[in-house]
Amino acid sequence: NAGVTQTPKFQVLKTGQSMTLQCAQDMNHNSMYWYRQDPGMGLRLIYYSASEGTTDKGEVPNGYNVSRLNKREFSLRLESAAPSQTSVYFCASSDPPGPNEQFFGPGTRLTVL
Amino acid sequence: AQSVTQPDIHITVSEGASLELRCNYSYGATPYLFWYVQSPGQGLQLLLKYFSGDTLVQGIKGFEAEFKRSQSSFNLRKPSVHWSDAAEYFCAVVGDNKFYFGSGTKLNVKP
Repeated sequence: NAGVTQTPKFQVLKTGQSMTLQCAQDMNHNSMYWYRQDPGMGLRLIYYSASEGTTDKGEVPNGYNVSRLNKREFSLRLESAAPSQTSVYFCASSDPPGPNEQFFGPGTRLTVL
Repeated sequence: AQSVTQPDIHITVSEGASLELRCNYSYGATPYLFWYVQSPGQGLQLLLKYFSGDTLVQGIKGFEAEFKRSQSSFNLRKPSVHWSDAAEYFCAVVGDNKFYFGSGTKLNVKP
C-alpha cells in the first residue's frame, strides 16, 4: 500500500499562473481533505470531501477549487496563483469521517513568485 | 466552535530528560483527541488518539497522553527524550467530522 500520494513534491509558479495538485489514496477511504501549512499556524483546512461526489469548504477556501474525481482521487486547483498561496499543501484521508485517524501524504511545497 | 491551543511554540530539552507538551481544547461534547508528529520535510504521523475509556493513552515511540476533562487538556508526555524525537508536534480535536489542529510545538533536543 502506498497510502496517500501527492504530486508534485515541489512547484514554483508565477503570480497569475494556474496549477492542479493531485492526491490519491489506496486505502478505500471515504473522506479526503486538503490542508495548507504555514509557519506558526498549524494546518488549516481548505476543502474536504466527506464521500465521493461531495465537497465542502473548510476554513480557508478562497482562491482554491477541488474535484473529487472518484473515491481514490481528490485534486486541488489554484486558478490564479497569488504569493499568499505560497505554502506547504497536505492531502489526507480517513474512513469513516469522524473519530478515525487521518492519514497524510508527504506534502507539496508551493512557491508563488 | 472547536479549537485547539498549544501554548508552547518552541521547547528545548536535553536528551534523556522528560518531556511534556501542552494541549488545551475547546469542544462542547466528548472530544476525540489526537497527537501527530511531523519530522522535517515529512507528512504527519499519528502518535496516539483518545476516544473514550482510560484517560491515559499509550502511543508509539514511548509517548503517552492524559485526557483531563476538568482542565480541557490532553498533554503529551515522554519519560526520556531521544535525539530522534526532535520534530514538530500537533494536537488535534475532531468535530463536525473535521480535524482542528493546534499551531504546533517545535521540539529541539540538546545532546
